[in-house]
Amino acid sequence: AQSVAQPEDQVNVAEGNPLTVKCTYSVSGNPYLFWYVQYPNRGLQFLLKYITGDNLVKGSYGFEAEFNKSQTSFHLKKPSALVSDSALYFCAVRDAGAGNMLTFGGGTRLMVKP
Amino acid sequence: KAGVTQTPRYLIKTRGQQVTLSCSPISGHRSVSWYQQTPGQGLQFLFEYFSETQRNKGNFPGRFSGRQFSNSRSEMNVSTLELGDSALYLCASSSQPTGEGEKLFFGSGTQLSVL
Repeated sequence: AQSVAQPEDQVNVAEGNPLTVKCTYSVSGNPYLFWYVQYPNRGLQFLLKYITGDNLVKGSYGFEAEFNKSQTSFHLKKPSALVSDSALYFCAVRDAGAGNMLTFGGGTRLMVKP
Repeated sequence: KAGVTQTPRYLIKTRGQQVTLSCSPISGHRSVSWYQQTPGQGLQFLFEYFSETQRNKGNFPGRFSGRQFSNSRSEMNVSTLELGDSALYLCASSSQPTGEGEKLFFGSGTQLSVL
């Protein structure tokens, strides 16, 4: 069975500081990993994905994520947070061993204070 | 290029009724997936259609069904509504099946309230 966990319901960070939103996964095969962001009253927007290759993936709006196979993690990072980054962030994993379904984590609310 | 369009945007129903939600994917996209979003359960996968065929189904009761038409538009139907069906229903499209690693494009969702 596949699963993805986002251990923090909310992350608070001051504007200009680096941010990290955590994600761990458990799959039976090679994972495809994704990050999506949801702004209020909107659908989700794609940020970045890891399929294969470099463990450090760069995405939209200055975000990046690092795939760590030994720790089964795919944490989202940004060097300098903006107030406009405040939103709900979802990690997702596709497991080829589970019918290729995409499973989302519970989401982490990022609050960036001025 | 128009995005994913979901209609209606808001819906209020009473217990026992049925409801149909509609999703028009981005032009050229043949994969449509449906998700249920609730504050307590997060984002739960309902089903995925690709070229009119259901490829995957999540762990939802048979009251939840869907279909996809030849123009890739999709509908989701919920029969005998229960209070717990109140949620934001999101539709997402992609050019290839979800399992291929394509990014998903989401609509703004249909907010269903069951009274």
